[in-house]
Amino acid sequence: DQQVKQNSPSLSVQEGRISILNCDYTNSMFDYFLWYKKYPAEGPTFLISISSIKDKNEDGRFTVFLNKSAKHLSLHIVPSQPGDSAVYFCAARKSLEDKIIFGKGTRLHILP
Amino acid sequence: NAGVTQTPKFRILKIGQSMTLQCTQDMNHNYMYWYRQDPGMGLKLIYYSVGAGITDKGEVPNGYNVSRSTTEDFPLRLELAAPSQTSVYFCASSYSGQIRQADGYTFGSGTRLTVV
Repeated sequence: DQQVKQNSPSLSVQEGRISILNCDYTNSMFDYFLWYKKYPAEGPTFLISISSIKDKNEDGRFTVFLNKSAKHLSLHIVPSQPGDSAVYFCAARKSLEDKIIFGKGTRLHILP
Repeated sequence: NAGVTQTPKFRILKIGQSMTLQCTQDMNHNYMYWYRQDPGMGLKLIYYSVGAGITDKGEVPNGYNVSRSTTEDFPLRLELAAPSQTSVYFCASSYSGQIRQADGYTFGSGTRLTVV
């Protein structure tokens, strides 16, 4: 029972273009969503988050959009840079719970 | 500031052996977590702790034990290693489980464990 789904295992994008990573969730009790970035041989690092009371959060080149009715969120990276090549995990937290649930991740390749 | 430190980075165990994965944080975080990541899979929660002396099971606790005697340390114990426990293990910490601030969890760099 996968509550946080990242259906694209990998994505390749040209340097300078927009990268869009998608995430779907099934549990309407989730109230906080996060994106983590992971390089090989390193732990995940926090990238950006969004509360369920918002539909957009922007931080520099990174923007997360939340569509609650569709139970869908997306991470936009503009413009994409070589250092953005990594695995991106979508994660979600249920209201009043102490832990977050991760998706399987999407590997992003930025092509020169 | 070291953040979350995990040792060892790599380990090969034989079936039936035991070991302890060490995790320590220097950020005075109350909450600590152990996750495992299998190839092609997301991170699954093994155990977590909301403070010294308090631990609770996550999604996949079988075959593992934890203790939290201090705020800083949260070791994960494997008593009888099995091939199914071959994975990368990540420790994480946070100020609070009720994550409202933007930074979420701080993760260690992981321990790659192989059971043969």
